[in-house]
Amino acid sequence: DGGITQSPKYLFRKEGQNVTLSCEQNLNHDAMYWYRQDPGQGLRLIYYSQIVNDFQKGDIAEGYSVSREKKESFPLTVTSAQKNPTAFYLCAGRRDRGSGELFFGEGSRLTVL
Amino acid sequence: GENVEQHPSTLSVQEGDSAVIKCTYSDSASNYFPWYKQELGKGPQLIIDIRSNVGEKKDQRIAVTLNKTAKHFSLHITETQPEDSAVYFCAASLGTGTASKLTFGTGTRLQVTL
Repeated sequence: DGGITQSPKYLFRKEGQNVTLSCEQNLNHDAMYWYRQDPGQGLRLIYYSQIVNDFQKGDIAEGYSVSREKKESFPLTVTSAQKNPTAFYLCAGRRDRGSGELFFGEGSRLTVL
Repeated sequence: GENVEQHPSTLSVQEGDSAVIKCTYSDSASNYFPWYKQELGKGPQLIIDIRSNVGEKKDQRIAVTLNKTAKHFSLHITETQPEDSAVYFCAASLGTGTASKLTFGTGTRLQVTL
C-alpha cells in the first residue's frame, strides 16, 4: 500500500537520551515535513525538506535534527537538548506542483520519563 | 509570520444538526486554506480546501467559505453523523508548493451525539 509510514507508534525513553523517529514514504513525494502536536496547540512545524540532502528549520527546530539522504526517508532525532520532548510527532509528504495537500503518517507518540 | 486562530475548541452537536467552525488569519498574502480531519490515533487527512480566488466551495455535506476582506474562513458540516466526530484543523499558507509552510489553527474537537 502507498503512504507515509512512521515507526515506532509508541516510544518511551528516559530523560537525556536521544531518540530517532522513522518516516518512510513510497508516494514519490518531493517534500517531507515533521510536525509536533500538543494538546490545544495544533500542529507546529519542526523541519522540512524539499529535496534530498537539503532541509530547512521550521518554527520549533531547537532540540531536533533531521537528515534526508534518500527521497523516501526523513528521520527525526529528538535530542537531549529538547526541553519538553513528550508529544505526538507527525510526518507528512507533499508533491511539488501538486494540489498542496499534505499526506500524513499515523504519528509517533514519544513519552519521556 | 502567519497566525491562525480557530474557534470553538470543542463543539457538541446532535446527529443531523449542522456544525460550524471558524478561523481567522493574519497575513493578507495567504491564498490557500485547507481543512484537515484527524480521527483518534491517526494522522490528519485533508477534507476540503479553498483558494483565495473563490468565496465558497462545497463537497457533499461539507462546505468552506472565505471572506478575504475580513480574513476569516469557515467550515460548515450539514446533517452531521457520528462518523463526523473528530478533531478538525484549519490552516493557511501562501501558495501550495513544497516551500509553502502551512500554519495550522489549534483544532476543534467535534462530537456528534445520537
